[in-house]
This record gives sequence, structure tokens and C-alpha cells, in this order.
Amino acid sequence: KAGVTQTPRYLIKTRGQQVTLSCSPISGHRSVSWYQQTPGQGLQFLFEYFSETQRNKGNFPGRFSGRQFSNSRSEMNVSTLELGDSALYLCASSLEWNRGAYEQYFGPGTRLTVT
Amino acid sequence: GQSLEQPSEVTAVEGAIVQINCTYQTSGFYGLSWYQQHDGGAPTFLSYNALDGLEETGRFSSFLSRSDSYGYLLLQELQMKDSASYFCAVRVKAGTALIFGKGTTLSVSS
Repeated sequence: KAGVTQTPRYLIKTRGQQVTLSCSPISGHRSVSWYQQTPGQGLQFLFEYFSETQRNKGNFPGRFSGRQFSNSRSEMNVSTLELGDSALYLCASSLEWNRGAYEQYFGPGTRLTVT
Repeated sequence: GQSLEQPSEVTAVEGAIVQINCTYQTSGFYGLSWYQQHDGGAPTFLSYNALDGLEETGRFSSFLSRSDSYGYLLLQELQMKDSASYFCAVRVKAGTALIFGKGTTLSVSS
């Protein structure tokens, strides 16, 4: 089975621009979560989607948004980029949303640099 | 608020045993997970504890005490390849998002 894929892997943007990141979960997985990872802050939860519905949302400003498509692929969008948005954005997929061991399978991430 | 505390760094030598602790203060508890992340890599799932006690998977074991809001990851027969960051994560209740600790960087030397 193919793992979680994320595109692009690296991205450089300028302050004020917007960016869209894409995530394709493992085949059969219907739950997709997004995290922001920065040095010293660990993984900060952004949002979680299951069956095209946002089930959970983290404590991030409205500039961060996401969606999930009927094939479970997910995108996240960040508008009006700020320097502090520079981070590794990780996507994780899992079979279920609200039961079980919740083993999450992470993609390699998208490294976003805002200049 | 919800918080998970784990040491920022741990060092050990090959062949040794190391324990990485995780203390959580959350409004509820549904389960504790551990993830490993090598430098430049993606986090990978190691273990999950929902009930008190020890779960063993090869060289790695994970322990949970719900009454103490505490868990640990035990790594035995350390190898150089175990050098990585280790994250504990808690789900407060079914259907809520995972809350991650800030991670413990383990350095294994020869």
C-alpha cells in the first residue's frame, strides 16, 4: 500500500501571499489530520477531516483553512502568509475518526518557508 | 488548558536502557500514544495505551498509570538508529484531536 503523500515537498513564498498544500491519504483511510511543526513547539494540531466534514479544529487563526474531497484527499490553505507560518506542515491519515487506537500514518510533510 | 510534559533531551549509550517520561494534565483521557520521528522524517506510530499497565513491542515498551496521569516509553538494547525525537500524545475523549507533547530528543552514542 502506498503511504501518505504530500505535495509539494518544499515551498518558498513571500509574506502576504497564499499557499495551498495537498495530502493524499493511504487508500481506504477516511480521516485526515493536519499539523504544524516548528522547532521547540512540537506538533500543533490544525484540523481533522472525516468524510468531507471538519471534525476538529485547532487553535489557529482563520487564515488557516482546509477541506476534504470525496476521495478523502485533503487540502489546506493559508492566506496572507506571515513569517511565523514558516514550518513543516504534516498530514496524517487514519482509518477511523472516533474509535480505535487512532494509529495515525504521517506523510513526509511540506516544508514552507515564508520570506 | 491541556498540557503534556516530557524531557527535552535524553542521552544514552548503545546497549543501554532508557526511559522517556510523559506527564499529562488534560480535561479527560482516552489513550496515550507514542511516536518516533527521525531527523527530516515523518513521525511513525510506536505504541498505544488505553489501560494501566505495560505494553511490549520488541525492544520498546510503553507504560501507563491513569491514576498518576503518567506514562513512559522504555527503549531497551539501544541502537544508534534509535537516535530520534519521541513524542507522547493524548486523546482527551473519543473523536477529539490528538494533543502532542513537545518531544524528547534521544541521542545514542557508541
